[in-house]
Formats: sequence, structure tokens, C-alpha cells
Amino acid sequence: DIQMTQSPSSLSASVGDRVTITCRASESISRYLSWYQKKPGKAPNLLIYTASTLQGGVPSRFSGSGSGTDFALTISNLQPEDFATYYCQQSYNTHFSFGPGTTVDI
Amino acid sequence: QVQLQESGPRLVKPSETLSLSCGVSGDFSSSYYWTWIRQAPGKGLEWIGYTFYSGSTDYNPSLRSRLTISVDQSKQQFSLKLSAVTAADTAVYFCARYAPISGAFDFWGHGTLVTVSS
Repeated sequence: DIQMTQSPSSLSASVGDRVTITCRASESISRYLSWYQKKPGKAPNLLIYTASTLQGGVPSRFSGSGSGTDFALTISNLQPEDFATYYCQQSYNTHFSFGPGTTVDI
Repeated sequence: QVQLQESGPRLVKPSETLSLSCGVSGDFSSSYYWTWIRQAPGKGLEWIGYTFYSGSTDYNPSLRSRLTISVDQSKQQFSLKLSAVTAADTAVYFCARYAPISGAFDFWGHGTLVTVSS
């Protein structure tokens, strides 16, 4: 099965910052990559699918890029509500797998 | 708008079977994979398995020997049974809808914490 890694595992940032989280797949997954935001006690929220398509209702400060094995999620102009854990997930293989998560804190 | 809601016992004894159901309101059809995902305390998200509307299933190989996922079309729900549980199965269990057109889990239940303890 496909293994997903993320870096960094955590980062500290301030409101207004631009942050980038990277995700790597153990083999090529084309653009079958999604990003989720997870807050404690809440279900994950889909942000981006097919590597760079913004889910409806998600602010445009979120953007995704990449293909093959290397992907990135960028949050520009970080807002207080963006402090959360972010997960990437591959769907190239329908034995779905998630990255270990990146926590963005203040 | 699709809504999913998990239900079932919150406490299960070791060696017993964990059983959860997910009720779906809205479009409950063959276009989607109806999926279970869990998150152990302090850990990341783990895909458990899914069922199609037809009843076909696929499971995480690490759980396959203990796992059954089924669908009840008349009740618009799908269910999870995990046998021979241990403390390692303590987690928040989410049901979710996977949409092949986007390749993503676009709707989720709120999640339910199931604790394995005597």
C-alpha cells in the first residue's frame, strides 16, 4: 500500500504568516491527493482535492500544488481559525491512506 | 445536503465486538464509497474500510481478519463490526462519504469515541 509522509510534523506561526506544509507519497499518485483540516473534537474538513482544487466554501487563502509524489498545501495570510492539524490523503489506491498530520499552532 | 451520524455503544470490553452504525440522510447511492475511518487518541487518521451501496466491501489489510462492514439500503445506513477488540482499538470512529469524482471524503459524521476497557 501507499505510504504518506508530511513535513514538518508541527510548526509555529503567527496571524498573517504564510505557511507551507509538504506531503510525499511512497510512489506516484498522479494528482489523487486531498488535504483536510482537523480541529479537536471535530470531524476533518475537506479543503482541497485533486491536489489543487479548492472545495466549495473554503477560503481562497488555502492553495494546493504538486503531482506525482510531492505535494504542498499553502496557507497565505494565516487567520486565527486556521490553527489546526492538517492531513494529506491519497486516493490513487483505494486502500486509502493519510499522512501523519502537521499541527499549526501559535 | 448529506448528513451522516454514527451510533452505537461507547464502551466495549476487551475481546468483545465493537459495533457501530452510520445513518445517512440525503443521497445514499451507488455513486459513493461509504467509509469508516478512525483516530486513536493522539494519533492520526486511519482508513478502516468501505462498502458500496451494492454491499461490496474492501478493508484495511491490518484489520481485515477482524472486520465486517455491511450496508442496509432500506434503512439508509451502513455498519461496522470489529471483533476481538483490545485497548489499541480505542479511538474516535468516523463514518464518511468518499466521492470518486473528487477522490476525497467530502462529508463526515461528527465521530464517536469508543473506549475499550473492562
